[in-house]
Amino acid sequence: GNSVTQMEGPVTLSEEAFLTINCTYTATGYPSLFWYVQYPGEGLQLLLKATKADDKGSNKGFEATYRKETTSFHLEKGSVQVSDSAVYFCALSVHTGNQFYFGTGTSLTVIP
Amino acid sequence: EAQVTQNPRYLITVTGKKLTVTCSQNMNHEYMSWYRQDPGLGLRQIYYSMNVEVTDKGDVPEGYKVSRKEKRNFPLILESPSPNQTSLYFCASSFDTTGRYGYTFGSGTRLTVV
Repeated sequence: GNSVTQMEGPVTLSEEAFLTINCTYTATGYPSLFWYVQYPGEGLQLLLKATKADDKGSNKGFEATYRKETTSFHLEKGSVQVSDSAVYFCALSVHTGNQFYFGTGTSLTVIP
Repeated sequence: EAQVTQNPRYLITVTGKKLTVTCSQNMNHEYMSWYRQDPGLGLRQIYYSMNVEVTDKGDVPEGYKVSRKEKRNFPLILESPSPNQTSLYFCASSFDTTGRYGYTFGSGTRLTVV
């Protein structure tokens, strides 16, 4: 079946530290991959996406590369800020009716 | 502004009292979906709709109903709410049914059933 596994949280980092949140997936066919961010009290917002192997999605200093050989889509940022504190969800779409599969989310707290 | 609007944001109700959570999108999106978010379980899909009058069950449909009479609206109905339906609910929409464009989410409805 289709599924997404992302690293357990919570993650606590100091400001300007390097961030990696691991995400691996299982899917039939050629899925599209996404990272969503949820700030406290808000809905999920699309952070970045990649629709085919070796694509790199990027936004607001975050990056993730679609690695088909390792079935991974790890989220990275070179220097985190306090304002990046949020819950991050990895997701995939297999382009059929029951479209999206989400990971369980990783909570990130950045301390000054 | 392009958005998905859910109402209400917060709701406390009693067991068995029917309620409806509304969802409306102004982007002419074909695909709409409802999720519930629970600690440690992430997001689980309740129902989805690929177009007007086309709805189907997600992973956790028990105790819920939906309808899609108009393209923009996708209400979630709890005919007889129970405490295990206490959760944070999100409505989401997508441009088409391919899934390539990602979702636009509403701000959420926090439901408490006592």
